[in-house]
Amino acid sequence: GAVVSQHPSRVICKSGTSVKIECRSLDFQATTMFWYRQFPKQSLMLMATSNEGSKATYEQGVEKDKFLINHASLTLSTLTVTSAHPEDSSFYICSPGPTLSTDTQYFGPGTRLTVL
Amino acid sequence: AQSVTQPDIHITVSEGASLELRCNYSYGATPYLFWYVQSPGQGLQLLLKYFSGDTLVQGIKGFEAEFKRSQSSFNLRKPSVHWSDAAEYFCAVGARSSASKIIFGSGTRLSIRP
Repeated sequence: GAVVSQHPSRVICKSGTSVKIECRSLDFQATTMFWYRQFPKQSLMLMATSNEGSKATYEQGVEKDKFLINHASLTLSTLTVTSAHPEDSSFYICSPGPTLSTDTQYFGPGTRLTVL
Repeated sequence: AQSVTQPDIHITVSEGASLELRCNYSYGATPYLFWYVQSPGQGLQLLLKYFSGDTLVQGIKGFEAEFKRSQSSFNLRKPSVHWSDAAEYFCAVGARSSASKIIFGSGTRLSIRP
């Protein structure tokens, strides 16, 4: 069964609105959460890394004020796309982090965001 | 700089034919290596991974990959493809020391010819 869930799976919003995406690790506690973005026909690009209870670390070129990440608990992390624009339309994927030495890296099923 | 290169953007093979998808990496240390598959509208699924030990790794769905340190390669192979193998395949690399940060290649789209 799925060990990572994302909600919603698809969302369509108007330009200028904010969208919140939830990521839950179902079977384990995730001290670290990775958020990826995948544009159509492209690979996954890491956006940010968050640790439970602390501020996220953003990759170069990713606006921290636009993509707000909250990792308040070991089973829930949220990504909020603020003032969304059409160029933010993408597939957003979370990945909770056990260490590589312990187990498989799991990925959420993704959230398809379309900004009109 | 850390990077993963998948030189083939799109490959088409006949059903029942053998398959090899290429992957080269650039990494400052000995990496962890992965192959993931993504079917249309689906999430990522891990096919196989290499951490250490035997350089020939067996995965799910009949896939295997071989780690060649001298060539910085981790090519994915399957002796006989099935129509259901049509998907996007991503090679990925991660650090041995950090917590699960993974860098993905650009992907190879596999089409199967009936």
